[in-house]
Amino acid sequence: EPEVTQTPSHQVTQMGQEVILRCVPISNHLYFYWYRQILGQKVEFLVSFYNNEISEKSEIFDDQFSVERPDGSNFTLKIRSTKLEDSAMYFCASSGGRATNEKLFFGSGTQLSVL
Amino acid sequence: AQSVAQPEDQVNVAEGNPLTVKCTYSVSGNPYLFWYVQYPNRGLQFLLKYITGDNLVKGSYGFEAEFNKSQTSFHLKKPSALVSDSALYFCAVRDDRGGSYIPTFGRGTSLIVHP
Repeated sequence: EPEVTQTPSHQVTQMGQEVILRCVPISNHLYFYWYRQILGQKVEFLVSFYNNEISEKSEIFDDQFSVERPDGSNFTLKIRSTKLEDSAMYFCASSGGRATNEKLFFGSGTQLSVL
Repeated sequence: AQSVAQPEDQVNVAEGNPLTVKCTYSVSGNPYLFWYVQYPNRGLQFLLKYITGDNLVKGSYGFEAEFNKSQTSFHLKKPSALVSDSALYFCAVRDDRGGSYIPTFGRGTSLIVHP
């Protein structure tokens, strides 16, 4: 089965630094998502992306966050100035259609640790 | 607003015994319900979904889930557990009156199947 790939698997950074998390969605998918999970808490939706623009975003996705599809294959999440509370597992996902009733394909995640 | 609760952090069951992983939801309209599984070092994988129709939904790897509207539940079940079923299980819901196309996930339940 096709897979979503995420790099790096682990990222350690200092508070205030910028990080970019990378994802390669499944090649014929059109909808892309970022979720995160703080240890022991729910998997939280951050943002969805379709047709080269953000289609939905949550309250978590503030001005410190941005997403980009720079080259037609990669899908990136940038955190401009990381905070301690940004430490979490970040999951990228993609789907062929809207998430309404389409299954999402998830990557294995990037564990972000902000020191 | 849509929300989902997985009341158990961990479920322990002996191999060969039936298993149940609980999920309850809250929506203002009708729910779209999903179960995903995460094996170690892998992304979340789709197991099954309920959109409409038969309350008993069958999915991958012998799993099934029963939609119960009166109890607002969507418990995941399997008649005979395997050690290889040990993983993290996530329930998700989308409210058809919520205005969002994005499912909300629970925090996950760790299933441990003992030999």
